[in-house]
Amino acid sequence: SSELTQDPTVSVTLGQTVRITCQGDSLRSYYGSWYQVKPGQAPILLIYGKNTRPSGIPDRFSGSTSENTASLTITGAQAEDEADYYCNSRDNSGNHLVFGGGTKLTVL
Amino acid sequence: QVQLQESGPGQLRPSQTLSLTCTVTGAPVNHGGYYWSWIRQHPGKGLEWIGYIYYSGSTSYNPSLKSRVIISVDTSKNQFSLKLNTVAAADTAVYFCARTNYGAGKYYYYFDYWGHGTLVTVSS
Repeated sequence: SSELTQDPTVSVTLGQTVRITCQGDSLRSYYGSWYQVKPGQAPILLIYGKNTRPSGIPDRFSGSTSENTASLTITGAQAEDEADYYCNSRDNSGNHLVFGGGTKLTVL
Repeated sequence: QVQLQESGPGQLRPSQTLSLTCTVTGAPVNHGGYYWSWIRQHPGKGLEWIGYIYYSGSTSYNPSLKSRVIISVDTSKNQFSLKLNTVAAADTAVYFCARTNYGAGKYYYYFDYWGHGTLVTVSS
């Protein structure tokens, strides 16, 4: 099992706000990053560092960290946001990188 | 525009060695500001970081794969490569290469550019 724990499934009503979380001891020391993965496509970087969005990522995506939990918030979820979401950070040793198990987001 | 492209055999027999190459365009692999990673995704499963390399040749590997993995870099070809030996069916996955960026103090790493991925199937 991963050192970063994510809820396997989350659902949100179209237009509403949803928070996807990632828990792990390493997040007390290091920031996480977030990726969106759709079937047959390469992952897309959504958030990195404290709360930085790469160019081209809609501002409805935002990130935050509190203690051992990193969160990805989608404010006003769209149908195209239905996808798998993964967090990533350093592992507990700090020497390697690790992904969370992923969260499948369903937009109702 | 940074682009990465994986290449290599898509079919392997158990016990063979998986060899993949990632060709990078739009950015030099010998730029000191980045690492270069391999990541895989088993069918229907999550992402798994395999390891990364720095242009100097310094590497870091996933502890669960460390005994079977070698990542190397060829700055003259602007490529980096993955070798995974003694493969088994459990190594069947889509393999991605990705540029690995990091923040000041290395308090965070992130994968900002990815290849499209290549499916490697291990079957007898």
